Amino acid sequence: DAEITQSPRHKITETGRQVTLACHQTWNHNNMFWYRQDLGHGLRLIHYSYGVQDTNKGEVSDGYSVSRSNTEDLPLTLESAASSQTSVYFCASSPGQISEQYFGPGTRLTVT
Amino acid sequence: KNQVEQSPQSLIILEGKNCTLQCNYTVSPFSNLRWYKQDTGRGPVSLTIMTFSENTKSNGRYTATLDADTKQSSLHITASQLSDSASYICVLNTGGFKTIFGAGTRLFVKA
Repeated sequence: DAEITQSPRHKITETGRQVTLACHQTWNHNNMFWYRQDLGHGLRLIHYSYGVQDTNKGEVSDGYSVSRSNTEDLPLTLESAASSQTSVYFCASSPGQISEQYFGPGTRLTVT
Repeated sequence: KNQVEQSPQSLIILEGKNCTLQCNYTVSPFSNLRWYKQDTGRGPVSLTIMTFSENTKSNGRYTATLDADTKQSSLHITASQLSDSASYICVLNTGGFKTIFGAGTRLFVKA
């Protein structure tokens, strides 16, 4: 069955370290997204991609970067982790602009 | 002010009872409005989707309604089960990839 996976599921890192969160989908969807979820807030869009070599900034993109070298993967990199980036990160993919987004299981990141 | 506000923040009900969750929004028009269910430690999963012109949509024991005049949507859960314990998130797609997520309602169903 097609799916979307994230790794690691849990990560603890120190302030200033570079961290990369992986996202892999087997639906062959062109569109992929990264969100962060914090208590009291709805999911907030970090970056998104319409296809290979395409990346776009979302509403909370500062301190994050993504790259899209193939259809299946959209890794999220925190260049220099900050305590404010402690959050749960969700990756999602969708076949079309207004289609349902399929979410991964999430990565809980703690920056100490 | 958030563009999508959900109420209540949390709710506790007994198994077998019905409940209604509310979503008020300020964005209009929009492409579609979805309700997602998010189990603890999991990603959200779509329950229902309604376009701007639809009034109601059902998925088993879940029924979503939409009132474009009052800019309100509700999710009604009938005969609740323990497995309904989750967060329920109201999401508006305002066109293209622009989606606005509510903060969610945390539902606890007790035996």
